[in-house]
Amino acid sequence: NAGVTQTPKFQVLKTGQSMTLQCAQDMNHEYMSWYRQDPGMGLRLIHYSVGAGITDQGEVPNGYNVSRSTTEDFPLRLLSAAPSQTSVYFCASSGYTGELFFGEGSRLTVL
Amino acid sequence: KQEVTQIPAALSVPEGENLVLNCSFTDSAIYNLQWFRQDPGKGLTSLLLIQSSQREQTSGRLNASLDKSSGRSTLYIAASQPGDSATYLCAGDLYRAGNMLTFGGGTRLMVKP
Repeated sequence: NAGVTQTPKFQVLKTGQSMTLQCAQDMNHEYMSWYRQDPGMGLRLIHYSVGAGITDQGEVPNGYNVSRSTTEDFPLRLLSAAPSQTSVYFCASSGYTGELFFGEGSRLTVL
Repeated sequence: KQEVTQIPAALSVPEGENLVLNCSFTDSAIYNLQWFRQDPGKGLTSLLLIQSSQREQTSGRLNASLDKSSGRSTLYIAASQPGDSATYLCAGDLYRAGNMLTFGGGTRLMVKP
């Protein structure tokens, strides 16, 4: 039982490049979400999904896209990377209890 | 908008001491409150989840309480150990979605041998 798996763990991009952060969970959880963690800002919600085919914006959605075609996967797309998107990104999932399970994080640097 | 505050931001204690970490929130309509542990460079690990109908949860040396009327939660760690050194975060869920949490800034705990 792997839980929540994120790839890649580290990535360096140049300004303007695009990329996708992958997230997969094997717990059959309905709810999935993406957070970013920045020093002094804490964890902030980017996008979330309450089930396959349903997504919505969180607190800081600009510059990011998501889709949820399956229960297991919830990729986060950076459309045109900016230095302000340098951060640690966490994917999380939860089931009916509401207990949140996190991945190990993806550390992104945008030059 | 829900706001979650954790005080103190950092805490250093000698091994064996019992300690309390504090978490306050502004919206008493909170559905549940969770406590997490984060080790440096790692993800968050769920420690305890308190539903709105509950007042406390216990797991081993950890006990978390929830007082919605006063907007407070506390995490009690008994007989602290150096392995307890980490950052502890609390997060409130207003919507029972489990994934729309508002996080506090965390308390960085150091337990000295």
